[in-house]
Amino acid sequence: EAGVAQSPRYKIIEKRQSVAFWCNPISGHATLYWYQQILGQGPKLLIQFQNNGVVDDSQLPKDRFSAERLKGVDSTLKIQPAKLEDSAVYLCASSLELGLAASTDTQYFGPGTRLTVL
Amino acid sequence: QKEVEQNSGPLSVPEGAIASLNCTYSDRGSQSFFWYRQYSGKSPELIMSIYSNGDKEDGRFTAQLNKASQYVSLLIRDSQPSDSATYLCAVIGGGADGLTFGKGTHLIIQP
Repeated sequence: EAGVAQSPRYKIIEKRQSVAFWCNPISGHATLYWYQQILGQGPKLLIQFQNNGVVDDSQLPKDRFSAERLKGVDSTLKIQPAKLEDSAVYLCASSLELGLAASTDTQYFGPGTRLTVL
Repeated sequence: QKEVEQNSGPLSVPEGAIASLNCTYSDRGSQSFFWYRQYSGKSPELIMSIYSNGDKEDGRFTAQLNKASQYVSLLIRDSQPSDSATYLCAVIGGGADGLTFGKGTHLIIQP
């Protein structure tokens, strides 16, 4: 079974530029998550999709971050404009179940995209 | 604001000994509890999940949950150098939430 795919793996940009990350979840997985992991900290949930609907985006800085999951499969996360504090690893994860069943389901993480903002 | 607290370490344990990792959480309504291992430069991988009070064993790993004390722990028996990593405690609340992670404990197994 193929895992969660993410691209690019690394990205370096200057502040105020824009950047986009792509995630392809495990086939058939209904729930998709984007996490931000700053160096030395645990991952922080940015947004959760179930199929193509947003379940939780309470920690997404909506003035600069946006995300979509078209057709309930692939997802993109965009930052525009980037700030220095956005330097982090952006992790995509997916799980099979929907709704409350997702709370006991295993989340599988992709390799992440390491973003450096100069 | 849900919080998950872990001692960041580093926790140094001799090879072959038992490593004990601890975690507390603030949301009393939390239902699901996970331990992830993260090697440097890699993504987290699930090693244990636990949902009810008591102990759950899987090979050399034992997870312990005490909801009254809002406390989760992970024991690693017969520690190996390959167990050296950061261990992340993660919690899901009562709804269909994403994971809330602690900062992780850096574990070093000394040969």
